[in-house]
Amino acid sequence: KAGVTQTPRYLIKTRGQQVTLSCSPISGHRSVSWYQQTPGQGLQFLFEYFSETQRNKGNFPGRFSGRQFSNSRSEMNVSTLELGDSALYLCASWRAGGANEQFFGPGTRLTVL
Amino acid sequence: GENVEQHPSTLSVQEGDSAVIKCTYSDSASNYFPWYKQELGKGPQLIIDIRSNVGEKKDQRIAVTLNKTAKHFSLHITETQPEDSAVYFCAATYTGNQFYFGTGTSLTVIP
Repeated sequence: KAGVTQTPRYLIKTRGQQVTLSCSPISGHRSVSWYQQTPGQGLQFLFEYFSETQRNKGNFPGRFSGRQFSNSRSEMNVSTLELGDSALYLCASWRAGGANEQFFGPGTRLTVL
Repeated sequence: GENVEQHPSTLSVQEGDSAVIKCTYSDSASNYFPWYKQELGKGPQLIIDIRSNVGEKKDQRIAVTLNKTAKHFSLHITETQPEDSAVYFCAATYTGNQFYFGTGTSLTVIP
């Protein structure tokens, strides 16, 4: 069974640009979460999607947005990039229905110059 | 929301010794507590988990204990090996929709 895949793996952007990251969940998983990981802040929750609906959102500015498609694939977008957005962005998928193990992808390493 | 604290932030042990990482949580409604291992350049990987109706769970050299009254849970690694060196994260959730993570423990196993 294929794991969670994220593309691209590495990305370099400059301040003010925007970026779109993609996540393909494990087959059969309908829930997807996104996290930002930085050395000082650990894993910070961005948002969570189930059946194309955002169910939860973390404490991030409106520049961070996401969506989920009918095939459960998800994208997140960051507009007007800032230096502080440099981080590893992780996507996790899991079966819906209660507390179940989340499976993480390898992440996308975003560097903002 | 839930608040998860994790200690220590760094841990060094000699190969063959045991390592213990502790986490506390704030919301008594939390009922699922996974532990993740993250190696350099990779995403976190689930290594063991425990639900609130169980006090202890073991998988070979890895064990997790849960004290619901005190609201803390711990990861125990016995007979540590160099390949156990990684960053370990604990997490808690009660809805399954949002996981709350600890800040991580960097474990170094010295050969």
